[in-house]
Amino acid sequence: GAGVSQSPSNKVTEKGKDVELRCDPISGHTALYWYRQSLGQGLEFLIYFQGNSAPDKSGLPSDRFSAERTGGSVSTLTIQRTQQEDSAVYLCASSTRTGGDYGYTFGSGTRLTVV
Amino acid sequence: DAKTTQPNSMESNEEEPVHLPCNHSTISGTDYIHWYRQLPSQGPEYVIHGLTSNVNNRMASLAIAEDRKSSTLILHRATLRDAAVYYCILRGYGGSQGNLIFGKGTKLSVKP
Repeated sequence: GAGVSQSPSNKVTEKGKDVELRCDPISGHTALYWYRQSLGQGLEFLIYFQGNSAPDKSGLPSDRFSAERTGGSVSTLTIQRTQQEDSAVYLCASSTRTGGDYGYTFGSGTRLTVV
Repeated sequence: DAKTTQPNSMESNEEEPVHLPCNHSTISGTDYIHWYRQLPSQGPEYVIHGLTSNVNNRMASLAIAEDRKSSTLILHRATLRDAAVYYCILRGYGGSQGNLIFGKGTKLSVKP
């Protein structure tokens, strides 16, 4: 597609349930990033994938969070046993390369609400 | 980590130029200067980036100081649609150094 696609756009889940958030990057973009943004806060880096290299998971806040990227394209962010503090907008971005001379393209995000 | 410093907020009048400053005194030789903006209820949007020379595109201009310790994003004629949070970010070369680390940015308000 022309842009980064994220689904669902909104998700309401009960505390303790697992959720999966999907990101479909721009075709041909080898780098993929996940961020989250809590209400009124800045963007917090979660994880990034580059080609077939091991992902950089340094931003994941706990072991309840995990992410996969299949076939170097679509990525899924999974949150297990959701907590209310997980409520946020989860943003995915992709980039042609990881070098500094390349910009990111962000999706519109998934708004997760844990009740 | 190289970091940037931006004013928390700025105001502008519609159709006037806006100069958004950014300080990055600890920038390294391989860091690119990136600017993104985030409109209300949207994901961030790429605006412009540069290394040493000034850059122009359809959205804005980027003026980079000769010592690269500061830069200025220039919106030539602000419109109401330019009201957003503007982030100045340093992006390193490759691997984790290429991650964009967002600060708090500058909230730009545009008055009609």
